Amino acid sequence: GQNIDQPTEMTATEGAIVQINCTYQTSGFNGLFWYQQHAGEAPTFLSYNVLDGLEEKGRFSSFLSRSKGYSYLLLKELQMKDSASYLCAVRSFNYQLIWGAGTKLIIKP
Amino acid sequence: DGGITQSPKYLFRKEGQNVTLSCEQNLNHDAMYWYRQDPGQGLRLIYYSQIVNDFQKGDIAEGYSVSREKKESFPLTVTSAQKNPTAFYLCASSTGGGKNIQYFGAGTRLSVL
Repeated sequence: GQNIDQPTEMTATEGAIVQINCTYQTSGFNGLFWYQQHAGEAPTFLSYNVLDGLEEKGRFSSFLSRSKGYSYLLLKELQMKDSASYLCAVRSFNYQLIWGAGTKLIIKP
Repeated sequence: DGGITQSPKYLFRKEGQNVTLSCEQNLNHDAMYWYRQDPGQGLRLIYYSQIVNDFQKGDIAEGYSVSREKKESFPLTVTSAQKNPTAFYLCASSTGGGKNIQYFGAGTRLSVL
């Protein structure tokens, strides 16, 4: 079967760094996406990885290891506005996205 | 401004009633998608369309119908056959090409009266 696992909830402190992990088992792999979703709002695109390694974009970085079926999203210098759910999605062999249930990130002052 | 517009933001359905959710995009994207989001679950694909006048069923198409008569529009009808329609419905369109990033509308929250 196809499966994407993320922690359900994480808590971090304002100004700190947090790493959100995502592991996947899918039929084929054509890229991995991270989205941010504030409560009651639409998901917004954060990052895309298709090759192994780290992609950095400002305070956010995303890492991929295809051999391990593993990715993480790294958020630095956390701000209160980063409190949201973070969704991991994998594009499989049929080019459709398979979504994880999301990780709710709570930022404390 | 380019974007995806979903309406209404909130919708209530009575027993035995069909309701239609609107999705319009002005991004000139060929592909459009409908997802359902339930608490504690990942987004699940209902229908998708890669080109005008063509669409395919996703993982949970039963009880739903769509049309794609114009590139800009991809309405979703939740029929009375869908026995558990209460959910947050998200419409997306994608850029095509290598990354084929999906961009989302603000969503419609459907509840049953």
